[in-house]
Amino acid sequence: DAGVIQSPRHEVTEMGQEVTLRCKPISGHNSLFWYRQTMMRGLELLIYFNNNVPIDDSGMPEDRFSAKMPNASFSTLKIQPSEPRDSAVYFCASSLAWAGQGMNIQYFGAGTRLSVL
Amino acid sequence: LAKTTQPISMDSYEGQEVNITCSHNNIATNDYITWYQQFPSQGPRFIIQGYKTKVTNEVASLFIPADRKSSTLSLPRVSLSDTAVYYCLVGSGSNYQLIWGAGTKLIIKP
Repeated sequence: DAGVIQSPRHEVTEMGQEVTLRCKPISGHNSLFWYRQTMMRGLELLIYFNNNVPIDDSGMPEDRFSAKMPNASFSTLKIQPSEPRDSAVYFCASSLAWAGQGMNIQYFGAGTRLSVL
Repeated sequence: LAKTTQPISMDSYEGQEVNITCSHNNIATNDYITWYQQFPSQGPRFIIQGYKTKVTNEVASLFIPADRKSSTLSLPRVSLSDTAVYYCLVGSGSNYQLIWGAGTKLIIKP
């Protein structure tokens, strides 16, 4: 398997523009996570899905952020309108379904580095 | 929620054993402790996970005392390629209340 695939790897946009980040999880994984990483705040969990259903979006910073998972092999994170403070690296991760014990290993993509000018 | 605290940075030398400690005073009964490694321009990568006592795999050991309020990642005989940021994660798959530490930047010198 190619692992978690994110696109684009880099995105530069202007304030006010819509940004869409894409993620293809590992085949067979049932859980998908979106993270944001910055120097100031470290790794922040934005939202996660189980079986394509959003379970907890309490980490989404505000209404400008939205995430969808229309099927088991694709998810998007959209920012509209984008602002300079959204500049960060956004990671997608996937894991197998929770087996009732422990914490499933998350497999991360290489991330999308977003710069909002 | 549990809060995880780990040193911001550490230095060591090739061939040495490195121990990185994470503090998680309010860890919940169902929470597990997981460590990830991150290289520049890459996503974090799983190293090891444990609940209590000691866990060992081919790359590291994890020591967790009986009160589970801290954990120590042990890297035996480090090499230059172990230079990375190491994250402590506390949480459970039952509710995904994940608490990530701020990361420890480990620099290995020749």
